[in-house]
Amino acid sequence: NAGVTQTPKFQVLKTGQSMTLQCAQDMNHEYMSWYRQDPGMGLRLIHYSVGAGITDQGEVPNGYNVSRSTTEDFPLRLLSAAPSQTSVYFCASSLQGPSSYNEQFFGPGTRLTVL
Amino acid sequence: AQSVTQPDIHITVSEGASLELRCNYSYGATPYLFWYVQSPGQGLQLLLKYFSGDTLVQGIKGFEAEFKRSQSSFNLRKPSVHWSDAAEYFCAVVSGAGSYQLTFGKGTKLSVIP
Repeated sequence: NAGVTQTPKFQVLKTGQSMTLQCAQDMNHEYMSWYRQDPGMGLRLIHYSVGAGITDQGEVPNGYNVSRSTTEDFPLRLLSAAPSQTSVYFCASSLQGPSSYNEQFFGPGTRLTVL
Repeated sequence: AQSVTQPDIHITVSEGASLELRCNYSYGATPYLFWYVQSPGQGLQLLLKYFSGDTLVQGIKGFEAEFKRSQSSFNLRKPSVHWSDAAEYFCAVVSGAGSYQLTFGKGTKLSVIP
């Protein structure tokens, strides 16, 4: 198993550009989520999905869109990047949600800089 | 809303010394509690978790944590720290069964002096 994979590892954008951060898992996990990590802020939940076709907002959803067309993939879209979205983004997955006894597995992260 | 406080931003300990990292949570009922570790430039790895039962939980890499309801705390401990334990540690909470939102503390960075 490759686990949770994220692409790209690094990305630099200009303000107003759009891009999609990719996340994939090969463990047949129903639950997937996106976090952003900023210095001194810990990780904050952006969006999550409990299965294909089902998504919901987390703590900091503004400026981000998600969709879940397959169990394996959960892309995060920035429609119009802003400097405030400069951050490290982590994708995570688990068999069920974090309140189940299943471990959440984290990807290696994508470091995004918006100029 | 649930919240997690890690009072110590940065802790430095000598190799071989004991370690305790503090975590306090805010939630009315019994939450589900987690400790994660993040090595520099890496993703997060689960150290241990508490859902119910025995309040002293054993984890990987020789770590343990104790849930104290009266103090709303879930402190992480290790009897003897190794240089490889230098990393950032995050406490996290889920508000209970059926919740899909994991809330993290701001983290404690651990430095280890040889």
